[in-house]
Amino acid sequence: GAGVSQTPSNKVTEKGKYVELRCDPISGHTALYWYRQSLGQGPEFLIYFQGTGAADDSGLPNDRFFAVRPEGSVSTLKIQRTERGDSAVYLCASKLTVNTEAFFGQGTRLTVV
Amino acid sequence: DQQVKQNSPSLSVQEGRISILNCDYTNSMFDYFLWYKKYPAEGPTFLISISSIKDKNEDGRFTVFLNKSAKHLSLHIVPSQPGDSAVYFCAASGGSEKLVFGKGTKLTVNP
Repeated sequence: GAGVSQTPSNKVTEKGKYVELRCDPISGHTALYWYRQSLGQGPEFLIYFQGTGAADDSGLPNDRFFAVRPEGSVSTLKIQRTERGDSAVYLCASKLTVNTEAFFGQGTRLTVV
Repeated sequence: DQQVKQNSPSLSVQEGRISILNCDYTNSMFDYFLWYKKYPAEGPTFLISISSIKDKNEDGRFTVFLNKSAKHLSLHIVPSQPGDSAVYFCAASGGSEKLVFGKGTKLTVNP
């Protein structure tokens, strides 16, 4: 597709459950990012992939959060034992090279009840 | 601590007038700055950027000014149009690939 695609658009899950959020970046973009946006806040960095490897995961809040990008394209953000505080919009972005703009997907709105 | 600050949560202007959105930063390592626009239920859309080697960058109705000594940047929209109504995020990076965002300013352009 032409842009960054994220699925699902919305996800409601019960506290304690496991969820997976998927990101399909722009074709040819080697850099992929996950951000989280809580209500009234700007997006906050979670993790950055260059190719298949996580180059910077310093934004992951704790070990319940994990992300993979096994073939250097699609990425999955995995959240174990979800908590109500995990409710947010999870944004994925990709870019071509350093110091260029990142293109964002529409986000996945996660609600933990 | 908040490294990128957008101190005005909202701004309202009349159609045809200038909109000025402000952003301050504290990290002197930041060397690349971007503005994103966000409509409800959509992801942020890139608007314009500026490198720290410049003090101005212009793209059509949008101009970004950077004052490094004051650690301040601003986005000017002239003339403002109702379709510009959105939340505007200032973002910065430097020394790493991650973007640090402000909390956003909601711009309303009244017809």
